[in-house]
Amino acid sequence: AQSVTQLDSHVSVSEGTPVLLRCNYSSSYSPSLFWYVQHPNKGLQLLLKYTSAATLVKGINGFEAEFKRSDTSFHLAKPSAHMSDAAEYFCAVGSGGYQKVTFGTGTKLQVIP
Amino acid sequence: ETGVTQTPRHLVMGMTNKKSLKCEQHLGHNAMYWYKQSAKKPLELMFVYNFKEQTENNSVPSRFSPECPNSSHLFLHLHTLQPEDSALYLCASSQEWSSRYNEQFFGPGTRLTVL
Repeated sequence: AQSVTQLDSHVSVSEGTPVLLRCNYSSSYSPSLFWYVQHPNKGLQLLLKYTSAATLVKGINGFEAEFKRSDTSFHLAKPSAHMSDAAEYFCAVGSGGYQKVTFGTGTKLQVIP
Repeated sequence: ETGVTQTPRHLVMGMTNKKSLKCEQHLGHNAMYWYKQSAKKPLELMFVYNFKEQTENNSVPSRFSPECPNSSHLFLHLHTLQPEDSALYLCASSQEWSSRYNEQFFGPGTRLTVL
């Protein structure tokens, strides 16, 4: 079985300050981990993915995430928030021999001018 | 058109209507997915097709009927829906079903309202 827990349903930051969105996973196998972003009235877009190579993964729009097996986390970070980062972010885990992905409940990021 | 497209973008239907949602991917992928996204709930996988064959049906009620005539097109036929079926329905595709490394590419979704 696999699962994902996104610890915060809402995060609010000021423009120009760091962003941290938290994700913990549970998986019986070596997991693949993904972060997706969803802007209003849009589908999900992949930000970055971890697939057992480097533990620090860089994605689009200045986001990065670090895979930590010791505390089963894959937190998403950005050093400086931009207004355009306001959206909903989903963490997802895939494991086993096939691509069955389980999504978290999402974190809404608000960026205050 | 590029990526994954979905039509219609918005749909309002009564409980006795029959309608269909359409998804088309222009990425040359072999796997396609239907998801249901409801407020305050995780994204729910409904169906998966790999090389036009259904590989996953997550206990979805029979009032939802998928169809995959080829690797580029996916339909979701709807009939006698309930108000609780109102949600955003997302289509996605990936290179193939069997690799855990393949990210999924999503369409913009169809916002469905059942009256």
